[in-house]
Amino acid sequence: IAGITQAPTSQILAAGRRMTLRCTQDMRHNAMYWYRQDLGLGLRLIHYSNTAGTTGKGEVPDGYSVSRANTDDFPLTLASAVPSQTSVYFCASSDSDTGNSPLHFGNGTRLTVT
Amino acid sequence: GQNIDQPTEMTATEGAIVQINCTYQTSGFNGLFWYQQHAGEAPTFLSYNVLDGLEEKGRFSSFLSRSKGYSYLLLKELQMKDSASYLCAVSDSNYQLIWGAGTKLIIKP
Repeated sequence: IAGITQAPTSQILAAGRRMTLRCTQDMRHNAMYWYRQDLGLGLRLIHYSNTAGTTGKGEVPDGYSVSRANTDDFPLTLASAVPSQTSVYFCASSDSDTGNSPLHFGNGTRLTVT
Repeated sequence: GQNIDQPTEMTATEGAIVQINCTYQTSGFNGLFWYQQHAGEAPTFLSYNVLDGLEEKGRFSSFLSRSKGYSYLLLKELQMKDSASYLCAVSDSNYQLIWGAGTKLIIKP
């Protein structure tokens, strides 16, 4: 089934630990995004990639890094987790970076940093 | 700054009609999206408006007025499965999406 797969589904992580959230899509979309969703706030963009080999910073990039070695994969890494990074993380893709194509979302990763 | 406003929560009755409003102030405008998000699930795309007017898609319609910075999502013949959060998002001059906090819609029998 075409779509976006995120792993893990949920994770409890000790502060200071390193963690990589995985995201894979099979729709051959050029643009990919990482968002975090917190109660009472809109989705906030962490990092994005308009095409393989390029990445950019979103609204809340500090403490996170990404890579885009190929079209399908867009992992998000927390180098040293802090409790404020407790959130639900969504990976998304679209077939255009011009902002007029709908986003397709993965099912999310619920991360708790203790 | 850029801002999207939508009501935090609304309640409606099964079979009725509900209108969810969204007002926005952004640097530029390249379209407005509505997404539906059931609790614990991913957002899913509902509609896209870039020109003024009403777009109808089955039981759901979305309206846009660019001069007023205003949109609404109209849901007709409400069903229990419509209980969800509805997210409004605007594509700004840099084609970045600015998201509202979402409106939680509660449907009562």
